[in-house]
Amino acid sequence: EAQVTQNPRYLITVTGKKLTVTCSQNMNHEYMSWYRQDPGLGLRQIYYSMNVEVTDKGDVPEGYKVSRKEKRNFPLILESPSPNQTSLYFCASSPRERGSYEQYFGPGTRLTVT
Amino acid sequence: GQNIDQPTEMTATEGAIVQINCTYQTSGFNGLFWYQQHAGEAPTFLSYNVLDGLEEKGRFSSFLSRSKGYSYLLLKELQMKDSASYLCLNNQGGKLIFGQGTELSVKP
Repeated sequence: EAQVTQNPRYLITVTGKKLTVTCSQNMNHEYMSWYRQDPGLGLRQIYYSMNVEVTDKGDVPEGYKVSRKEKRNFPLILESPSPNQTSLYFCASSPRERGSYEQYFGPGTRLTVT
Repeated sequence: GQNIDQPTEMTATEGAIVQINCTYQTSGFNGLFWYQQHAGEAPTFLSYNVLDGLEEKGRFSSFLSRSKGYSYLLLKELQMKDSASYLCLNNQGGKLIFGQGTELSVKP
């Protein structure tokens, strides 16, 4: 089944404790992206990647890191999480066909930082 | 920063037609998407416009005017299951900017 998977789905952690949220897609998509969703602010792009070893900042990259060492995986790293990073996180991938970026979203990761 | 605008919420009646508008920043424009998101779930793709005009897909249609930086999503024959948030997304060549979403409530 074609899908985007994220792990973990739920995470409660403490300030300053490094964490990684994994994202994997099995559709051979070139484009991958991370978003956070907060009430009243909608979905905001954190980082995106056009292809392996190519990453770019989105709207809200501060406090996050990403890597794209292989096509299928795009992990999101929080080196020192803070309470303002409590949010719902979505990973997405896209085939970029004909310049389109129709995205397929993962199920989301709900992160709480205390 | 935010460069895309849509109404926060709308209410409509089952069986009716509703139009959700979206205005966006035109610089670097590379396409306009509409997504549907039910509470607690991931967004799902509805439509994509890159040229001016109307794209029809069943009960849903989407319109684009590039010169005006304007799009709308038209939902016909509304059903209760259409109650959701509708997100407008501006593609700026890889950098993707979402609107805040329009919360649509469909009432009997």
